[in-house]
Amino acid sequence: DAGVIQSPRHEVTEMGQEVTLRCKPISGHNSLFWYRQTMMRGLELLIYFNNNVPIDDSGMPEDRFSAKMPNASFSTLKIQPSEPRDSAVYFCASRPGAREAFFGQGTRLTVV
Amino acid sequence: AQTVTQSQPEMSVQEAETVTLSCTYDTSENNYYLFWYKQPPSRQMILVIRQEAYKQQNATENRFSVNFQKAAKSFSLKISDSQLGDTAMYFCAFMALETSYDKVIFGPGTSLSVIP
Repeated sequence: DAGVIQSPRHEVTEMGQEVTLRCKPISGHNSLFWYRQTMMRGLELLIYFNNNVPIDDSGMPEDRFSAKMPNASFSTLKIQPSEPRDSAVYFCASRPGAREAFFGQGTRLTVV
Repeated sequence: AQTVTQSQPEMSVQEAETVTLSCTYDTSENNYYLFWYKQPPSRQMILVIRQEAYKQQNATENRFSVNFQKAAKSFSLKISDSQLGDTAMYFCAFMALETSYDKVIFGPGTSLSVIP
C-alpha cells in the first residue's frame, strides 16, 4: 500500500482565498484524522471520522474550517477564507480500528 | 479528558550513548495504548514503539525500549546506542480503547539532537 496520501505537499495562498487540502487514507482503514502542527501549539487534532462519519470536530478552530469525507477513500479539509494565522503543517492520518494511526507526509500551508 | 505531558522540550546525546525521554499522562481510563512517534526533519510521522496498558512487560523494538509505569502514569522512551539518524522530534501519544472511536492525543514533543 502507498500509505496515506496528501495533496498538495506545499500550498502558498493569499489571505482571503479558499484552500482545500486532500487526503486519501490507507485502504481498509476505518478512522481518519486531521491534525494541525505549529511551533506554538504542537499537534492539534482538528476532526476525526469513523466509517466516514464525523465523530468529534471540537478541535476545528472556527467556522472558516470545514471537513468532509464523502467516501472511505477520500477526505478534504477546507479553509474559507484563509488567514495568515492558519499557516501550519496539516496532517492526515488513518487507522484500522483500535491501533496506531498512520500519517501522511503533511501539507505545508503558507497564507500571505 | 486525557492529557499527555513531555517535560523536556530539548535534549541532546552523544552518538553511541543512551538517552531517556520522559512522558507522563493523565487519564481515568483503564484500557489504552501508548505510543512514541518520531518526526525527523523530513516531517514524516513514524511510529517508533507501541505499548498496550494491559501488558506488564515493557515493549522493545531493537534499540528502542520503554519503561511503562501504569500506576505512576509514566511512559519513558530509552534509545540505546544513539545514531545520527535518531535526531528528530519525539512525540508521546495516548489512545483510549473504550470504543473504536477513540482519538489519539499527542504530547508537545521533545527535540532530540544526536551529536557526533
